[in-house]
Order: sequence, then structure tokens, then C-alpha cells
Amino acid sequence: DGGITQSPKYLFRKEGQNVTLSCEQNLNHDAMYWYRQDPGQGLRLIYYSQIVNDFQKGDIAEGYSVSREKKESFPLTVTSAQKNPTAFYLCASSIEKGAPNYGYTFGSGTRLTVV
Amino acid sequence: KNQVEQSPQSLIILEGKNCTLQCNYTVSPFSNLRWYKQDTGRGPVSLTIMTFSENTKSNGRYTATLDADTKQSSLHITASQLSDSASYICVVSEISGTYKYIFGTGTRLKVLA
Repeated sequence: DGGITQSPKYLFRKEGQNVTLSCEQNLNHDAMYWYRQDPGQGLRLIYYSQIVNDFQKGDIAEGYSVSREKKESFPLTVTSAQKNPTAFYLCASSIEKGAPNYGYTFGSGTRLTVV
Repeated sequence: KNQVEQSPQSLIILEGKNCTLQCNYTVSPFSNLRWYKQDTGRGPVSLTIMTFSENTKSNGRYTATLDADTKQSSLHITASQLSDSASYICVVSEISGTYKYIFGTGTRLKVLA
């Protein structure tokens, strides 16, 4: 089945540590996105990528980094510079150009907790 | 500033009852509006997608309506079931070259037996 897979489901980070969240899709989608979800707030865009080897900052990119070396993969690194990383992180993908009404597919999320 | 506002923030209904969730937006230029269902601890799942020319779209017991003139949308759930307990998120797409998505904060629905 085609889909988008995030791992791990739960992740614990110590103070000052970098952690990487995985996101893989086999939908042949061009665009991939990372969002952060906090209680009582709408999803906020961290980074997005429309093509391989290219990505753009979203609204809250500080303290995060990404790479897009393969079309299928868009890992997110939460660095020690992110002072409040505890949140639910969602990865999504879509066919970007030319098909704006195409479904926007989300992964099942990773819950990151600072310990 | 482009915004999407949803109401109510939370809602509790009895199983079998109907309910309607609201979404008001100020996004312009507007491309399309989507409703998603998000179970706790899971990613959102698409329910409906509507362009500005569509007034209504159904998906089983879920019916979404759109009034592009007043910039309002609603999601009506008929004969609610316990499995409908979730957050419902309204997402409006902006035509800006990158099809930027503006997310509402969601309505948390709880269906009681």
C-alpha cells in the first residue's frame, strides 16, 4: 500500500542533544512538509521541500534542520538550539504543482518529549 | 493576515445525534478548503476537499458545505458514532505559487454512548 511512514512513534531527547525524525513516502509525491502540533494550536509549518536537494523554511524553522537527498525521504533534525521541542511532529506529502486539489497525505506522527 | 477560525473549540454529543462544525476563513486568494479528521496521537486524514466553485461535498455521514462569498464552511456529521470522537481540522489553501496551507486550530468532538 502507498503511504507515508514516520518513525519513531515516540522519541525522548535529553537536554543539549540532537535527534532526527524519519519520514518516508512511496506515493511518488514531489512535495514534503514538516509540521509541529501543540495543544490548542493549529499545525505550524517548520520546513517544506518541493523537489530533491531543495527545501524552504516555514514559519518556525529556528532550531530545526532538514535534508532532501531522495524524493522519498525528508528527515527532520531537532537541534539543541530548539529550546522547546516537546511536541507532536507531523510529516506530510503532496503532488505540488499542477494538482492543487490532490489529497494532502499525513504520516501518523512522532511525539517528541524532552527528559 | 490569512487566518482560519473554527468553532466551537470543543463539543460533546450523544451517540446517534447530528452536529455541525464551523470554519470561517480570511485566506485570499483562495484555492480550496479541506476538512480533516484527526484521532488522538495520529495524523490527520482527509474527509473532503472543495474548490471555490463547489457548494457541498459528502463523504458517507460527513457533509461539508462552502460559501465562498461569506468565506464560511461547515462540516455536518449525521447519526454520530463513538468512532467520530476526534479533532476536526479545517485547512484552507492559498494560491501563492507554493499552495500554502493555513490550518485551523480544530474542533474536538466527543461522542458519548
